[in-house]
Amino acid sequence: DSGVTQTPKHLITATGQRVTLRCSPRSGDLSVYWYQQSLDQGLQFLIQYYNGEERAKGNILERFSAQQFPDLHSELNLSSLELGDSALYFCASSSRQGPGELFFGEGSRLTVL
Amino acid sequence: GEDVEQSLFLSVREGDSSVINCTYTDSSSTYLYWYKQEPGAGLQLLTYIFSNMDMKQDQRLTVLLNKKDKHLSLRIADTQTGDSAIYFCAARTSYGKLTFGQGTILTVHP
Repeated sequence: DSGVTQTPKHLITATGQRVTLRCSPRSGDLSVYWYQQSLDQGLQFLIQYYNGEERAKGNILERFSAQQFPDLHSELNLSSLELGDSALYFCASSSRQGPGELFFGEGSRLTVL
Repeated sequence: GEDVEQSLFLSVREGDSSVINCTYTDSSSTYLYWYKQEPGAGLQLLTYIFSNMDMKQDQRLTVLLNKKDKHLSLRIADTQTGDSAIYFCAARTSYGKLTFGQGTILTVHP
């Protein structure tokens, strides 16, 4: 158990819809990262937050947005969903101490029909 | 920016050693990591190495770092069927960005 909690574990929805994925980082970790994993694209970095502020942006579509709240949990909002958005979405957190490794949640599997 | 490359597939027999290779481009990379992903699960950190080290050993795992060639390898001794998974190499640059490779699918045959 990494200490990172993601909900929901599975989500099935239709094209055009909007979903929200939630992540609670490890206790004390201020950084939260979102990644998308699909068969054709591999593991793609989407966005990073540090203590509520956006720190880095990767290959995140304009239809996607994220935020980190004062209690440090984060949400990833995916809107106007397309079939190609079907993927596993991972959240990870890291500490400023030590080697800075990421601790990953178990992922949210999104299926868009 | 940083680019991290891995071969996509590796197949070995149970009991043999597995060597998974990785190359990276940014010479300012400070930490390099190996993660394991089992089916349906998240990525789990296996080990990491700091850039001023050449080698790190942790039980069946040996990490070798050739900083001159920007080459990282993970050797798994006495590979077991339970080691079948996807292995990701990742590099963190001095300004904090973390980049993952595409992952190597390791298949262990009985």
